Amino acid sequence: EVLLVESGGGLVKPGGSLRLSCKVSGVNFISYTMNWVRQAPGKGLEWVSSISSSGSFIYYADSVKGRFTISRDNAKDSLYLQMNSLRADDTAVYHCARELVGATVNWFDPWGQGTLVTVSS
Amino acid sequence: DIQMTQSPSSLSASVGDRVIITCRASQSISHYLNWYQQKPGKAPKLLIYAASSLQSGVPSRFSGSGSGTDFTLAITSLQPEDFATYFCQQSYSVPLWTFGQGTKVEVK
Repeated sequence: EVLLVESGGGLVKPGGSLRLSCKVSGVNFISYTMNWVRQAPGKGLEWVSSISSSGSFIYYADSVKGRFTISRDNAKDSLYLQMNSLRADDTAVYHCARELVGATVNWFDPWGQGTLVTVSS
Repeated sequence: DIQMTQSPSSLSASVGDRVIITCRASQSISHYLNWYQQKPGKAPKLLIYAASSLQSGVPSRFSGSGSGTDFTLAITSLQPEDFATYFCQQSYSVPLWTFGQGTKVEVK
């Protein structure tokens, strides 16, 4: 069974930093593009960032560009999200998700349960 | 960015009902559309990929259809475990993924 387990969330003041981790098991981690997706309380899903299997290709949503950094350690089967200059509107549950490539369409499966980040003074 | 609009935002239904959720894209996305189910406090779960392909292990009462800009997720004979929130996701502009705002299916 493929498992994704996030950690590192918590309460942080505006302007502060936090580093999220996502530990992956049950799959050959190095083979997959990975993503972070967040969900603000009572809101929908927002894609945050993507990193290719080798780490060579990285993409960010405009809302986090310049403040967040995605990375991975394939030797540790782990994905990371360094979040700096945090704002109140970054408050959300952050999920990591594996990206699968079909014949034509890509999708996310599975997802982790998420870790809550709360930005408040 | 491609905007995804779901309707309704919520609906009330009873066990055994047929439920239809729609998702509209701001531009044509061919069949690049996925559907997820999410229960409170849980990770989203893939139901349908490529607009109409049922993910392995997902009950056959779930089905997806559509192409271009208009898509539907149908649940025939709603079961107690189907009360949840459903999201559509476009994968046309990967890696710039976007999701619908969600449709909450509640008990009537």
